[in-house]
Amino acid sequence: QKEVEQNSGPLSVPEGAIASLNCTYSDRGSQSFFWYRQYSGKSPELIMSIYSNGDKEDGRFTAQLNKASQYVSLLIRDSQPSDSATYLCAPRDYGQNFVFGPGTRLSVLP
Amino acid sequence: EPEVTQTPSHQVTQMGQEVILRCVPISNHLYFYWYRQILGQKVEFLVSFYNNEISEKSEIFDDQFSVERPDGSNFTLKIRSTKLEDSAMYFCASSEDVYEQYFGPGTRLTVT
Repeated sequence: QKEVEQNSGPLSVPEGAIASLNCTYSDRGSQSFFWYRQYSGKSPELIMSIYSNGDKEDGRFTAQLNKASQYVSLLIRDSQPSDSATYLCAPRDYGQNFVFGPGTRLSVLP
Repeated sequence: EPEVTQTPSHQVTQMGQEVILRCVPISNHLYFYWYRQILGQKVEFLVSFYNNEISEKSEIFDDQFSVERPDGSNFTLKIRSTKLEDSAMYFCASSEDVYEQYFGPGTRLTVT
């Protein structure tokens, strides 16, 4: 059984701060990793993908991957109230389907 | 920017009835997927489809479910005899390769 764990939150941060979202996964065969943002009542929206160990930056977002520790994280710099959403971690193995984590609810306080 | 579309946005049906959920993937994408999300729960994979056949399916995707690409643009999910527990948001997704998947807005299915 492939497990993906995330803190359910809510994670509350003040506007302008750095939000740090963490994810661990059980399947060592996972090859690629995706972060999705889901607003309440809406569909998942792709934020970042990361395939190799280390950091990957895209605007205010930085994804970090450590395959040895089976750990992936997402940092959001200069958090805005519009970033308030649930963030889903989704590792993928050699197959085509994602295993979604339960998500971390982020609340950015003005 | 191209996007995945789904119809209807909300479907209400009675238990035991058949429903068909429709999706139009992004035009140059080759891989298609269905996911569901029961209210308050995580997104669950149902099935992936490539080259006109199912490539993977989950335990949820039992004999009551089927998928079809009836023409060059539509991708459908059929539930033959709906149950109360089929009530959920159903998301279609597509990808150009096996990596980044893009989701449609979803169809809310309510089984009464």
